[in-house]
Amino acid sequence: SYVLTQPPSVSVAPGQTARITCGGNNIGSKSVHWYQQKPGQAPVLVVYDDSDRPSGIPERFSGSNSGNTATLTISRVEAGDEADYYCQVWDSSSDWVFGGGTKLTVL
Amino acid sequence: QVQLQESGPGLVKPSQTLSLTCTVSGGSISSGGYYWSWIRQHPGKGLEWIGYIYYSGSTYYNPSLKSRVTISVDTSKNQFSLKLSSVTAADTAVYYCARVMAAAATRWFDPWGQGTLVTVSS
Repeated sequence: SYVLTQPPSVSVAPGQTARITCGGNNIGSKSVHWYQQKPGQAPVLVVYDDSDRPSGIPERFSGSNSGNTATLTISRVEAGDEADYYCQVWDSSSDWVFGGGTKLTVL
Repeated sequence: QVQLQESGPGLVKPSQTLSLTCTVSGGSISSGGYYWSWIRQHPGKGLEWIGYIYYSGSTYYNPSLKSRVTISVDTSKNQFSLKLSSVTAADTAVYYCARVMAAAATRWFDPWGQGTLVTVSS
């Protein structure tokens, strides 16, 4: 089965740029989606199809995907961005696969 | 906009059947075009997809849970439901319902319900 690997944690100072990676074998050939989950809340979609943003998601959130790594980039990080972030892919053989999640800490 | 809300018992005894319902508002399940799904999250852990249903009643389940899962739909109430049989403590989790969005060769979940914690304990 397909495996997605995320770093357990990423720390960044306010105003800086956070980059959260999601590794998978030839992940660049798949579409990657990203969710933000704050404590006690449901996941919220922040990026879909590698780099598209749902309405209401700030432009500070962006995504890229190439080779074996997809990246969620959060620019001008704010305290309110502190959350767990999950990447996800889908294909007809593995169905939905989630990464293990990355805890973003805003210092 | 579409909103989803889970409901059901928060405590289930081992070996019994977990039953949850998801009520959809702001859109009609029977209008088609979307699948409707259940996902769970074990305490402090990651996300696990359980299964999905189409308004017609066609279903698809996670192979790891398939023998114990049944998802059904009631279009008259704009609801879909989850039954998970023979539960154990390992089924203790927050259960979410969500709408499945699809594009060419990919799918994702949006939006999600708020989630409901189900504890399996005697």
